[in-house]
Amino acid sequence: QQPVQSPQAVILREGEDAVINCSSSKALYSVHWYRQKHGEAPVFLMILLKGGEQKGHDKISASFNEKKQQSSLYLTASQLSYSGTYFCGTEETSGSRLTFGEGTQLTVNP
Amino acid sequence: NAGVTQTPKFRILKIGQSMTLQCTQDMNHNYMYWYRQDPGMGLKLIYYSVGAGITDKGEVPNGYNVSRSTTEDFPLRLELAAPSQTSVYFCASRRGSGANVLTFGAGSRLTVL
Repeated sequence: QQPVQSPQAVILREGEDAVINCSSSKALYSVHWYRQKHGEAPVFLMILLKGGEQKGHDKISASFNEKKQQSSLYLTASQLSYSGTYFCGTEETSGSRLTFGEGTQLTVNP
Repeated sequence: NAGVTQTPKFRILKIGQSMTLQCTQDMNHNYMYWYRQDPGMGLKLIYYSVGAGITDKGEVPNGYNVSRSTTEDFPLRLELAAPSQTSVYFCASRRGSGANVLTFGAGSRLTVL
């Protein structure tokens, strides 16, 4: 089952914050976050496993609410390099099938 | 390490032709995946494999076939190409499920005219 992302697009000024949400109607085993620049392959950001953990790296962090089957990606003090399309990928069981949402296009302007 | 290598990078096909997109990884990953990405859209899972000799359908398998005879290779075959198969195809691999990172190839851009 494909996860649902929101919003579809976000426009920020440099230094502003953003939240991207990912939800599923199925129980999730893991949530993966990737960023894709135009014309390039997706690049790994972070993985969260069931257990309701939260992870962070520099100014990008994420949470996973296992009970609600939801994950959120938090981008704080955004930089121009954050621009791109963000995808969440979800795994319903530890069985390998990994499906992605439609993506959230993030644009950071000076 | 080369990672995940896809060939060709670009290809133009005529309607009804067939071709194979090649994917090879040198990381000894068990799991391999094929996704397609239409312009401005998300990644759709076509087929995936959890090991040599094992394949399974994804979200959009119609018009495609795969095989996994070795751990390293996971070719995707398009039979009777149609304009609807115009897309960018990404091959990806990871060691296992859960906390294992998915590594993507650079992509293969296919146009069917």
